[in-house]
Amino acid sequence: QKEVEQDPGPLSVPEGAIVSLNCTYSNSAFQYFMWYRQYSRKGPELLMYTYSSGNKEDGRFTAQVDKSSKYISLFIRDSQPSDSATYLCAMSGTGGFKTIFGAGTRLFVKA
Amino acid sequence: DVKVTQSSRYLVKRTGEKVFLECVQDMDHENMFWYRQDPGLGLRLIYFSYDVKMKEKGDIPEGYSVSREKKERFSLILESASTNQTSMYLCASRAHGTSGTGELFFGEGSRLTVL
Repeated sequence: QKEVEQDPGPLSVPEGAIVSLNCTYSNSAFQYFMWYRQYSRKGPELLMYTYSSGNKEDGRFTAQVDKSSKYISLFIRDSQPSDSATYLCAMSGTGGFKTIFGAGTRLFVKA
Repeated sequence: DVKVTQSSRYLVKRTGEKVFLECVQDMDHENMFWYRQDPGLGLRLIYFSYDVKMKEKGDIPEGYSVSREKKERFSLILESASTNQTSMYLCASRAHGTSGTGELFFGEGSRLTVL
């Protein structure tokens, strides 16, 4: 079993839709939860960062962490064609160097 | 503007060749990483370095080695390339003292094809 599971998609939605991206994980030691966005032929860039459980909002993006269920989500409101990218969840524990990534979900937002 | 530069964006090599992938960062970061990215598998850590001349194996180090002679430069070496090493290779850096908490800054990737 992988430490982090993420549906690779692709996910195709119309412009303006609410998008929900999700990951599950198995290691209860994870404390830091991140979402990276990767455009085609580019490296990933940090989009959202959350510590422990709870919600974090940044503009049209909301990250949620439910540690009891080992489940994290990224919501995109009013999705735009410019949001078309691969979204990678990532997580790590305290005191370690490793960041573990999900497989990435490819998102297409149609104009 | 922070930058991680991977000098080779696209490479085609033959089986058995020695391959060098170079990565340079201008952020004075102590930690540097090499990942490979494959469809359906995400990013997998090959090697990382937490300081000059220091290196640690990641999850899939077999067939790879690394070199970090200067703080800003981290090289990935494939001693004898094989077809199963065809992949996208991503270099990343991170500031020291942030351990697992800090943002990883990635280069644009080096797409290697081994024939």
